[in-house]
Amino acid sequence: DADVTQTPRNRITKTGKRIMLECSQTKGHDRMYWYRQDPGLGLRLIYYSFDVKDINKGEISDGYSVSRQAQAKFSLSLESAIPNQTALYFCATSDSTKQGIMHFGAGTRLSVL
Amino acid sequence: AQTVTQSQPEMSVQEAETVTLSCTYDTSESDYYLFWYKQPPSRQMILVIRQEAYKQQNATENRFSVNFQKAAKSFSLKISDSQLGDAAMYFCAYTQTSGTYKYIFGTGTRLKVLA
Repeated sequence: DADVTQTPRNRITKTGKRIMLECSQTKGHDRMYWYRQDPGLGLRLIYYSFDVKDINKGEISDGYSVSRQAQAKFSLSLESAIPNQTALYFCATSDSTKQGIMHFGAGTRLSVL
Repeated sequence: AQTVTQSQPEMSVQEAETVTLSCTYDTSESDYYLFWYKQPPSRQMILVIRQEAYKQQNATENRFSVNFQKAAKSFSLKISDSQLGDAAMYFCAYTQTSGTYKYIFGTGTRLKVLA
């Protein structure tokens, strides 16, 4: 089983719909992140959380919200999806004691029509 | 603000040959980590190699090695004896060792391996 699990793996939705992407981890890491990948732009940080009570905006948080339901769960919501949110979304984790290594989920491919 | 730049959007290499992917970064920090991640068509992000800025010795992992030039803020990845399975998108990444621990990624280099 994967250490960082994202669901769904692929999703097609319509403009204006609310959608939630979920992430869970079994690595016991305290830090969790949501990134968005677009061709030619690399990975850009949406939100990050260093523990359950800590939520921080990244560089492109507009139009997104997150919830850290437990140390192991970090979900990303698009309240009203728009076409330019079509992208590949990654959840990632890291451990503050493990020298900076980031562990990624398999990604969610989201298409907003 | 820290930045990571990969100036080669795409590169090709013949199977069994050597290829070097370039990465430059900008930071005012003295202690940080640098990484190369590989993203094959499966889209899973896989850690290839990690370098700690305070270490002068270049990191190596089997066929993968880096040329870390701290003063020049350069961090290139050398792949020796290239294999078809090396074909992927490669991302250079930076994170500082204190403070916010935010990771900064480059825009990626797509590597094609020719049989």
